[in-house]
Amino acid sequence: RKEVEQDPGPFNVPEGATVAFNCTYSNSASQSFFWYRQDCRKEPKLLMSVYSSGNEDGRFTAQLNRASQYISLLIRDSKLSDSATYLCVVTGNTGFQKLVFGTGTRLLVSP
Amino acid sequence: DADVTQTPRNRITKTGKRIMLECSQTKGHDRMYWYRQDPGLGLRLIYYSFDVKDINKGEISDGYSVSRQAQAKFSLSLESAIPNQTALYFCATSGGIGAANEQFFGPGTRLTVL
Repeated sequence: RKEVEQDPGPFNVPEGATVAFNCTYSNSASQSFFWYRQDCRKEPKLLMSVYSSGNEDGRFTAQLNRASQYISLLIRDSKLSDSATYLCVVTGNTGFQKLVFGTGTRLLVSP
Repeated sequence: DADVTQTPRNRITKTGKRIMLECSQTKGHDRMYWYRQDPGLGLRLIYYSFDVKDINKGEISDGYSVSRQAQAKFSLSLESAIPNQTALYFCATSGGIGAANEQFFGPGTRLTVL
């Protein structure tokens, strides 16, 4: 089983739609959780950290469910510029808590 | 100017050649990382360094070596390149004590080994 699993998509949605991605992780000892965004052929960039209480940043909401070992990302009012691959990232169980990256979920927002 | 830079941005080479990928950062971070990204596999950690005197293997270090020449510079070498090392390589930095702090990535180097 992969340490971090995501639906690769693509998720095709029209502008203005609400879309949600889930990600499951296998290491129950993981302490930190993130969503990174990666545009085609570009470097990943941190979108938001995911806190136990859930957190919101504008149109983006991230939630963590430790019992079921999944995190989610909700995007409201999708924009064309939201088209990208969204990487689920968790910390591993080594001494320095290395980051473990999911393979990403691709989102395509159309006019 | 970009905070994390990588050179070259693209490289095509032949099997058996020695290749060096370079990474420089102006963020003043102590921690630097090398990852490779392959379709369907996500980013995988090759090597990481917590300071100039500290080098550690990641999950896929075989066939690679690194050098931390200074706080700002971390290079990755392929001593004898092979085709399955064809990938997109990213350098990253972080300034925190734990990986809980944000990692900042360079623009990547696209390496093709023929």
